[in-house]
Amino acid sequence: LAKTTQPISMDSYEGQEVNITCSHNNIATNDYITWYQQFPSQGPRFIIQGYKTKVTNEVASLFIPADRKSSTLSLPRVSLSDTAVYYCLVGMYNNNDMRFGAGTRLTVKP
Amino acid sequence: SQTIHQWPATLVQPVGSPLSLECTVEGTSNPNLYWYRQAAGRGLQLLFYSVGIGQISSEVPQNLSASRPQDRQFILSSKKLLLSDSGFYLCAWSETQGASYEQYFGPGTRLTVT
Repeated sequence: LAKTTQPISMDSYEGQEVNITCSHNNIATNDYITWYQQFPSQGPRFIIQGYKTKVTNEVASLFIPADRKSSTLSLPRVSLSDTAVYYCLVGMYNNNDMRFGAGTRLTVKP
Repeated sequence: SQTIHQWPATLVQPVGSPLSLECTVEGTSNPNLYWYRQAAGRGLQLLFYSVGIGQISSEVPQNLSASRPQDRQFILSSKKLLLSDSGFYLCAWSETQGASYEQYFGPGTRLTVT
């Protein structure tokens, strides 16, 4: 399994764009990159998934360079409610062995 | 639509007592099922996963066990709880087929072992 490295914490202000980068140097050919969001005392919630280049949905964008050794989750115009822990996971599609690291604790300030 | 239930929501148990946490999924068939534990301020640790009735894979050696007596029911058990078993227990499910690598999590059970 590819190991992931994320910053432990990040601070931002309302209205700013936030970019959280995840390193996964040992990503395998068949691995996908998935991001989850977790609020306190709740289970994680799927945000976005990608394999290469750029993926965008109504919540976020995911940028993956050609070598796929890192990825960046981009949250546009964050609000206070985006304060949460964000997890980057790397693994095969439909792999049951999903590993959550410590994640990145994002704090959005007014 | 699919829903996932866990109970109880909170639990306080003495050391050495047994444990039974239940998870049920509605609105889907033959899901993959998972049990995770999250210690305070930490990431999630995968404990067990199941791809079908009676099929359990254990990720971490411990005093916990899991069972899947029915297609959409997943149970986490212990015969004797340890202090280190305290944490936030999350059940999750995923499709066995499909294009998305997505797990859906339940509301969780907060267990305090005293």
